[in-house]
Amino acid sequence: DTGVSQDPRHKITKRGQNVTFRCDPISEHNRLYWYRQTLGQGPEFLTYFQNEAQLEKSRLLSDRFSAERPKGSFSTLEIQRTEQGDSAMYLCASSLEFWAADTQYFGPGTRLTVL
Amino acid sequence: AQSVTQLDSQVPVFEEAPVELRCNYSSSVSVYLFWYVQYPNQGLQLLLKYLSGSTLVKGINGFEAEFNKSQTSFHLRKPSVHISDTAEYFCAVIPSYNTDKLIFGTGTRLQVFP
Repeated sequence: DTGVSQDPRHKITKRGQNVTFRCDPISEHNRLYWYRQTLGQGPEFLTYFQNEAQLEKSRLLSDRFSAERPKGSFSTLEIQRTEQGDSAMYLCASSLEFWAADTQYFGPGTRLTVL
Repeated sequence: AQSVTQLDSQVPVFEEAPVELRCNYSSSVSVYLFWYVQYPNQGLQLLLKYLSGSTLVKGINGFEAEFNKSQTSFHLRKPSVHISDTAEYFCAVIPSYNTDKLIFGTGTRLQVFP
C-alpha cells in the first residue's frame, strides 16, 4: 500500500492556460474523489468516480473543469482557461468501497497558483 | 443540507496540557462523523470516526472524540499534547443516506508551544 499519489505537487501557471493534474489512488480502490481547498477553508467536494463512472459533480465544477478516470485506475483533472480564482490546493482521495464506514485516504495534494 | 462549524480557528496550548477542539454540525438526518488531521505539506489523515454504537470514540495518537446527539457536537480531545500535534484539524460529516462525499468544517489550527 503506497498511498494516494498526486502529480505535480505544485503548479504555477498564467491566467488563461490549461493545466492537468493526475491522481493515482490506492490499488484496488473503487472510489476516487476530488476536493478543492482554498486558504483558510476546509476541503470542498468537486466530483467522484465509482470505477470509471463519474457519478456526481459539484456546482463548484464549472464547464472549464473536466475529470476522467478512463480505466478505473488513475484520474486526471483538467482546468481550461485558468482564472486567478482557481488558485487552490486540489486534493484527491480514494476508498475501497462506497460505504461511509470506508475511510477516504487523501493524497498530498497539488497546489495550483494562477498568476 | 448538512454543515459543520468549527468555532475555533486557532487553539494555542502548551506542551503536556489537555486540549479540546470543538465541532458542531447541522443536519436533519443522521450523520457519520470524522476528524482528520493535516500536517504541513502532507495529505489529510483520518484520526477517528463515529458510525454508531459507543459515543466515545478513540483514535490514533491518543486522540478521542465524543458524539453528543442532543447538542449535535463531536468535540475532539487529548489529555496531554505534544509538539508534534501541531497541525490543522478538520471535522467532517457524511449524511447516512448519501455516502458520496465528506462535508468539512473550516478547520482548527492547533499550535503546541514548548
